[in-house]
Amino acid sequence: NAGVTQTPKFQVLKTGQSMTLQCAQDMNHEYMSWYRQDPGMGLRLIHYSVGAGITDQGEVPNGYNVSRSTTEDFPLRLLSAAPSQTSVYFCASSKPSSGEQFFGPGTRLTVL
Amino acid sequence: EDKVVQSPLSLVVHEGDTVTLNCSYEVTNFRSLLWYKQEKKAPTFLFMLTSSGIEKKSGRLSSILDKKELFSILNITATQTGDSAVYLCAYITGTASKLTFGTGTRLQVTL
Repeated sequence: NAGVTQTPKFQVLKTGQSMTLQCAQDMNHEYMSWYRQDPGMGLRLIHYSVGAGITDQGEVPNGYNVSRSTTEDFPLRLLSAAPSQTSVYFCASSKPSSGEQFFGPGTRLTVL
Repeated sequence: EDKVVQSPLSLVVHEGDTVTLNCSYEVTNFRSLLWYKQEKKAPTFLFMLTSSGIEKKSGRLSSILDKKELFSILNITATQTGDSAVYLCAYITGTASKLTFGTGTRLQVTL
């Protein structure tokens, strides 16, 4: 039981490049979400999903896309990276209506 | 607008001290309040509080929710250097699992 896994752990992009951050969970959780964490800002919700085929925007969705084709996977796509997207990204999952979200180890992204 | 405020922003204590961290909220359709601990990695779950006045306890950590005064406290007794971390509170509204986090309290425990 690996829990929530994220790849890559570190990534450096140039402005304008696109990439996908991968997130997978093996706990059969219906709810999955993506957060970014910046110094002094806490964790801010980017996008979330309450089940396969259903996604919705969080607090800071601009510049990011998501899809949820399976229960296990919830990739986050950066369409055209900007320096403002330099951050640590966390993926999390939980059972429906449960508050206890399980977090992945994070991806540290730097956009030059 | 819903909001959650944590205080203090940071504090430094000596090993063995007792600390109290605060989380106040103004949230419509409030369902639960959660506490997480974050060291130099992903947040880990500590407590979820839904009912007012019922203390949750785990070892030296305990937490309680006051739904009338709209706040929660996290107590850590006999602090150890391993308690050094950022402590985050978050709330859930409605029926979804969507968490909204405060900015955290950074606790440093020194010898």
